[in-house]
Amino acid sequence: GNSVTQMEGPVTLSEEAFLTINCTYTATGYPSLFWYVQYPGEGLQLLLKATKADDKGSNKGFEATYRKETTSFHLEKGSVQVSDSAVYFCALSDLSGGGNKLTFGTGTQLKVEL
Amino acid sequence: GAGVSQTPSNKVTEKGKYVELRCDPISGHTALYWYRQSLGQGPEFLIYFQGTGAADDSGLPNDRFFAVRPEGSVSTLKIQRTERGDSAVYLCASSQDRAGANVLTFGAGSRLTVL
Repeated sequence: GNSVTQMEGPVTLSEEAFLTINCTYTATGYPSLFWYVQYPGEGLQLLLKATKADDKGSNKGFEATYRKETTSFHLEKGSVQVSDSAVYFCALSDLSGGGNKLTFGTGTQLKVEL
Repeated sequence: GAGVSQTPSNKVTEKGKYVELRCDPISGHTALYWYRQSLGQGPEFLIYFQGTGAADDSGLPNDRFFAVRPEGSVSTLKIQRTERGDSAVYLCASSQDRAGANVLTFGAGSRLTVL
């Protein structure tokens, strides 16, 4: 079946540091890939997505590239801010059954300090 | 509405009781999903509706869990004979249709605690 593996957290960085959160996946077919973010006390929000191999999703300074050869979708940001502190979830879509069913990783907590 | 609305935001109940959780999706969204998020875990798929019908209920853990969407808008997740292991945040999401790359918009969730 489908699965998503993320690096364990928490990840603690100083402001303006470079961020990488690793994500690898196992899936049949050609899923779309997503990063969702959950800020404290808020619901899940879509951060970025990529729908096919070599696509790069980007938003708010975050980027991730769909790498089919390594089955990866690592999240990166060049300079993090305190406001980026949140839990980040990597996910893939499964279109079997006709819907856009998402399989999530376990989440990686990011803490950014001054 | 502007976003996906879920009520109640918090529910504390006793083992063995019956619980209903409500989801009001974004107006016009035909697809509706329920997920369950246990502490320290990612959300896990429960059930998906396209319109009024449950198109995929493969994630429901057992027959104590049931969901309806009678008019193709609001959905209710029903849990019978609750158990302590049912404690989790129940998330609802909706999207415009079932297309693969369509974005799911999530509600803030209903936190269920079974004592």
